[in-house]
Amino acid sequence: DSGVTQTPKHLITATGQRVTLRCSPRSGDLSVYWYQQSLDQGLQFLIQYYNGEERAKGNILERFSAQQFPDLHSELNLSSLELGDSALYFCASSPGVGLTDTQYFGPGTRLTVL
Amino acid sequence: GENVEQHPSTLSVQEGDSAVIKCTYSDSASNYFPWYKQELGKGPQLIIDIRSNVGEKKDQRIAVTLNKTAKHFSLHITETQPEDSAVYFCAASVNGGSQGNLIFGKGTKLSVKP
Repeated sequence: DSGVTQTPKHLITATGQRVTLRCSPRSGDLSVYWYQQSLDQGLQFLIQYYNGEERAKGNILERFSAQQFPDLHSELNLSSLELGDSALYFCASSPGVGLTDTQYFGPGTRLTVL
Repeated sequence: GENVEQHPSTLSVQEGDSAVIKCTYSDSASNYFPWYKQELGKGPQLIIDIRSNVGEKKDQRIAVTLNKTAKHFSLHITETQPEDSAVYFCAASVNGGSQGNLIFGKGTKLSVKP
């Protein structure tokens, strides 16, 4: 158990809908990262927050957004969902912003868009 | 952008044999190289990491070697057991920005046959 929690574990929804994925980092960690994992793309970095502020942005679609709250939990919002958004979404946390900080992953949310 | 290549994509070994997974990276500034194990339905779990000031690190049956000149690093698992069966990902640190802090290889599916 990494100490990172994610809810829900599974999510099934229809095209055009909006969903919210939630992540709580390990105790004491200030950075949260979001990744998308699909079969053909591997682990793709979406976005990083550090202590409530956006730190780095990857290939995140404009339909997707995220935020980190004062209690350090983070939410990833996915809107106008398409079939191709079906994937595993992981969040990870690390103590700070150092490039060599170890990232600990949560168990993921499996999103299925029908 | 920077890149990490991982080989092989699949690896099948007999219980008790050794397994070796190799990765090459492109960013000469990379100085942190973690390895993650992902079991079916779970998030990636850190199993070992190495930083560029050392060439080799061991933890029981797992070892990682790093050759910064050649820009490659390898994971070695000795005396493999069926519970080692999983997908293994290598990663290399990059300088933040749109790629985040880590770039991941595409993964190696290891099967250990009893």
